[in-house]
Amino acid sequence: GAGVSQTPSNKVTEKGKYVELRCDPISGHTALYWYRQSLGQGPEFLIYFQGTGAADDSGLPNDRFFAVRPEGSVSTLKIQRTERGDSAVYLCASSLVSGGYNEQFFGPGTRLTVL
Amino acid sequence: TQLLEQSPQFLSIQEGENLTVYCNSSSVFSSLQWYRQEPGEGPVLLVTVVTGGEVKKLKRLTFQFGDARKDSSLHITAAQPGDTGLYLCAGARNNDMRFGAGTRLTVKP
Repeated sequence: GAGVSQTPSNKVTEKGKYVELRCDPISGHTALYWYRQSLGQGPEFLIYFQGTGAADDSGLPNDRFFAVRPEGSVSTLKIQRTERGDSAVYLCASSLVSGGYNEQFFGPGTRLTVL
Repeated sequence: TQLLEQSPQFLSIQEGENLTVYCNSSSVFSSLQWYRQEPGEGPVLLVTVVTGGEVKKLKRLTFQFGDARKDSSLHITAAQPGDTGLYLCAGARNNDMRFGAGTRLTVKP
């Protein structure tokens, strides 16, 4: 694939349920980022991986949120006991290496709606 | 509180007009990026500025990084309807980026 892909594109769930959001980065990109974007806002940083390890998870809002990247490629963002306030578009981005000089390529996002 | 403040939040202009949008912070960044985002898509990088005082031009778009590397501006000359979108600035600290809330630009034909 040419770009970053995210699945599902839309997810509707009920309050209290568990959800997993998947990100397939561009092949060969070592850095992977998760952001959350609420309506009318810019992307809010959640976590970033350099390889398999979470290099910075300071943006995760609480311990209901967790992300993994076990083989240094695909990443999964996991949200437990979802709340209505978790409703947002979750964006994934990858870059060749980490660092602010490097272009981040974004996926189209997963729109999560918690009823 | 946003680390990066963008202004104006909304801007609606007629085709052919010029405009400037701003990105301000009290923090110093090692680099600053501008992205454009269209509905239903992720942001797409327009430019990266690194050096204080740097000016970069991309066709009708001119980007400037403040001398102190705390702020930036984007100037568009002779705006076209295709310029419509959400313009986001993002500052790099260490290895990650922090985004502003964006300026939503509408260019009317």
